[in-house]
Amino acid sequence: DQQVKQNSPSLSVQEGRISILNCDYTNSMFDYFLWYKKYPAEGPTFLISISSIKDKNEDGRFTVFLNKSAKHLSLHIVPSQPGDSAVYFCAASVINNNDMRFGAGTRLTVKP
Amino acid sequence: DVKVTQSSRYLVKRTGEKVFLECVQDMDHENMFWYRQDPGLGLRLIYFSYDVKMKEKGDIPEGYSVSREKKERFSLILESASTNQTSMYLCASSSSDGGAFEKLFFGSGTQLSVL
Repeated sequence: DQQVKQNSPSLSVQEGRISILNCDYTNSMFDYFLWYKKYPAEGPTFLISISSIKDKNEDGRFTVFLNKSAKHLSLHIVPSQPGDSAVYFCAASVINNNDMRFGAGTRLTVKP
Repeated sequence: DVKVTQSSRYLVKRTGEKVFLECVQDMDHENMFWYRQDPGLGLRLIYFSYDVKMKEKGDIPEGYSVSREKKERFSLILESASTNQTSMYLCASSSSDGGAFEKLFFGSGTQLSVL
């Protein structure tokens, strides 16, 4: 039973446009959410996070939005760049708990 | 620069073999994790450890065991490898500094093929 779901396996956008990656979760106990980015032949690297006390967190071109009532979060990348092409994983956990649950990933392709 | 090192990038083993995947971190992190990554399933947690000699089962522990004899090293053991254990295995670590959850740092992964 996947507690974190990314329903879009792939997304293709034009350079300079906005990329929106979506994630849904089922466990209402989750209170900390993260996005990881993974290039081929490398491990995932941390991108941005948000705790449940916020509904938005911004870091440069990356913004994560959290809608707790809908159990939904999204990652916005503006403007998208070809170097952003990677697989993006959504993850969730309970703060002070030691495990984390990941979605299946969305492969983003940014075309020049 | 922080580092999580997995001993092998690629491994090919035969069905029934005992397989050891090694992971070392140099960040003095308390927590270490083993995940496997499969297409369409994302990263699934196999085992994790929050202290030396401590271990906890994740979502899919069947067919696996772990060992954490030293803080920096966390080993994943496939007691008798099977073809359905062909996968990308990712080790990660995190700190428990201040009791708050910290982000995971991942190794580059080991692609295991069981024939």
